[in-house]
Amino acid sequence: NAGVMQNPRHLVRRRGQEARLRCSPMKGHSHVYWYRQLPEEGLKFMVYLQKENIIDESGMPKERFSAEFPKEGPSILRIQQVVRGDSAAYFCASSSSGGVKYEQYFGPGTRLTVT
Amino acid sequence: DQQVKQNSPSLSVQEGRISILNCDYTNSMFDYFLWYKKYPAEGPTFLISISSIKDKNEDGRFTVFLNKSAKHLSLHIVPSQPGDSAVYFCAASAGVAGNTPLVFGKGTRLSVIA
Repeated sequence: NAGVMQNPRHLVRRRGQEARLRCSPMKGHSHVYWYRQLPEEGLKFMVYLQKENIIDESGMPKERFSAEFPKEGPSILRIQQVVRGDSAAYFCASSSSGGVKYEQYFGPGTRLTVT
Repeated sequence: DQQVKQNSPSLSVQEGRISILNCDYTNSMFDYFLWYKKYPAEGPTFLISISSIKDKNEDGRFTVFLNKSAKHLSLHIVPSQPGDSAVYFCAASAGVAGNTPLVFGKGTRLSVIA
């Protein structure tokens, strides 16, 4: 399966714990995006990364949230000291490089539940 | 402030008939539009896209129409099939760079009745 991989698919954390979400892009893709979907809402952009670089983090909360895409390994979205409002589905997407618009392909998502 | 709006939360269509899903946008900088289909507990699946230099793009049973002056696009599915039942998201992007974040609407839930 050469699609976008995300793990875990489901994650339960107590308030105050840390959540780590992983994303492996499609083979050959070097651009990774993280989106969050709250219930009954559309997907909201959080952060856009290329290998070892954050390109755009305008959609990410300033505190508790961080993202990385190291030279080796998957992209990680990290949420520290989770609160109930962080409960949502987190989707990762990837795209290839180029000077024209490229479609983003999504992973199955990680459903985070904060108790 | 919602830049991409899908004003119909749901739509029911008879199998074999045409499904028309609508999307409006407010940001004149958007120059690329996409439709995604989403089943429960899965990620969105890319369906079809259109550049702002075109007014129509067709792929099999799916056609997207873009009316730039009205800032409106629509997705036509014909004929509709029960397997098309899903939530459909309209998305848009702006900027000259090839890779830019997408702005999504809230989605329209399509039910195709056999």
